[in-house]
Amino acid sequence: KNQVEQSPQSLIILEGKNCTLQCNYTVSPFSNLRWYKQDTGRGPVSLTIMTFSENTKSNGRYTATLDADTKQSSLHITASQLSDSASYICVVRSAADSWGKLQFGAGTQVVVTP
Amino acid sequence: DGGITQSPKYLFRKEGQNVTLSCEQNLNHDAMYWYRQDPGQGLRLIYYSQIVNDFQKGDIAEGYSVSREKKESFPLTVTSAQKNPTAFYLCASSRIDRAEEKLFFGSGTQLSVL
Repeated sequence: KNQVEQSPQSLIILEGKNCTLQCNYTVSPFSNLRWYKQDTGRGPVSLTIMTFSENTKSNGRYTATLDADTKQSSLHITASQLSDSASYICVVRSAADSWGKLQFGAGTQVVVTP
Repeated sequence: DGGITQSPKYLFRKEGQNVTLSCEQNLNHDAMYWYRQDPGQGLRLIYYSQIVNDFQKGDIAEGYSVSREKKESFPLTVTSAQKNPTAFYLCASSRIDRAEEKLFFGSGTQLSVL
């Protein structure tokens, strides 16, 4: 069973609007949570990394939140642009896993329309 | 330009054939990784390496092999034993001195079976 679940699977938004993506995880013990943006046919690019003690982190128009108690994270995109069309991937690292291992969600596909 | 270079961008494999995917980085990172990405699924770890001449199996290593003869290079061979090789393959690298180290990804290789 996947330990990182993302929702929705996909969404379509109008340019200029805001949207929020969700990530629920069961990974334990928790080390850190990352959000990546992946354009079609390209490799993922890091947006944010949050540890247990951080509950909000921003990167331009992207703001990630973390609630380690409920094991939930969200990624908020403000004033969306056409270039925000991509898959957004939530990744969680367990403090118990061997060094190289991360748990990847399946991603949320975002399409921004004019 | 610093980064990770994967080649080729597209690769076709005939039945019974071994193929090798190239991955080179000039970020001076100790760790390198290979992931497989299938539609609708999270990235899955094939192999990873923290140091030259050493590497560990990931979650789906069967049918794949790697080498790490140089710090900059981590080629992946998809052998004929891998019966379902069609996927998008991503190489990544990172530092290893902190748990929050970012992964830097290449732009991927799409492997298809003829």
